[in-house]
Amino acid sequence: GENVEQHPSTLSVQEGDSAVIKCTYSDSASNYFPWYKQELGKRPQLIIDIRSNVGEKKDQRIAVTLNKTAKHFSLHITETQPEDSAVYFCAPRAGGGADGLTFGKGTHLIIQP
Amino acid sequence: DAMVIQNPRYQVTQFGKPVTLSCSQTLNHNVMYWYQQKSSQAPKLLFHYYDKDFNNEADTPDNFQSRRPNTSFCFLDIRSPGLGDAAMYLCATSRDHVYEQYFGPGTRLTVT
Repeated sequence: GENVEQHPSTLSVQEGDSAVIKCTYSDSASNYFPWYKQELGKRPQLIIDIRSNVGEKKDQRIAVTLNKTAKHFSLHITETQPEDSAVYFCAPRAGGGADGLTFGKGTHLIIQP
Repeated sequence: DAMVIQNPRYQVTQFGKPVTLSCSQTLNHNVMYWYQQKSSQAPKLLFHYYDKDFNNEADTPDNFQSRRPNTSFCFLDIRSPGLGDAAMYLCATSRDHVYEQYFGPGTRLTVT
């Protein structure tokens, strides 16, 4: 099975600064790399994902970069805002589209005013 | 326009008393998942249905069962809840050739 490590576990940044969260995985067959955001008491929501044939994807202030050789991918959030405060999970997956997700342990992102 | 619905949102049960959690979806997705999320932890996959085929995770306790009577509904049965089963239970759906999973709002289970 997939062994997923996510760092850091807690990240505190000043509002307006950038935040980067890294996810390392073990299964070289992994081909789908999503990031989920979970606010307190709410459901996880997909914020961005990338497939193995793409190295980088950007959506406004968030981006994901993938390094398949090193088996890690990262979430980048620029110009952070208070509403970015949440727990972020990576969930790399190998195999077909029906497989369940193996989540990293999560990163608690705190945006300081 | 709710897509994945879970009922109830909060459930209190007694130690050892069977409990059933419900999930329904309006997306007509053929795959449905159940995750357990304990406080300050990541969601953990319990099992999933691919159409009518049940796929259990190797480390899911026998105490947890699931039923899927039709495409729209899926149930999580906990036969004899223990204190350690207190958690948020999340239902999710997807289409088998589309990777994104859609999560319901969750049911928070308390065991007294």
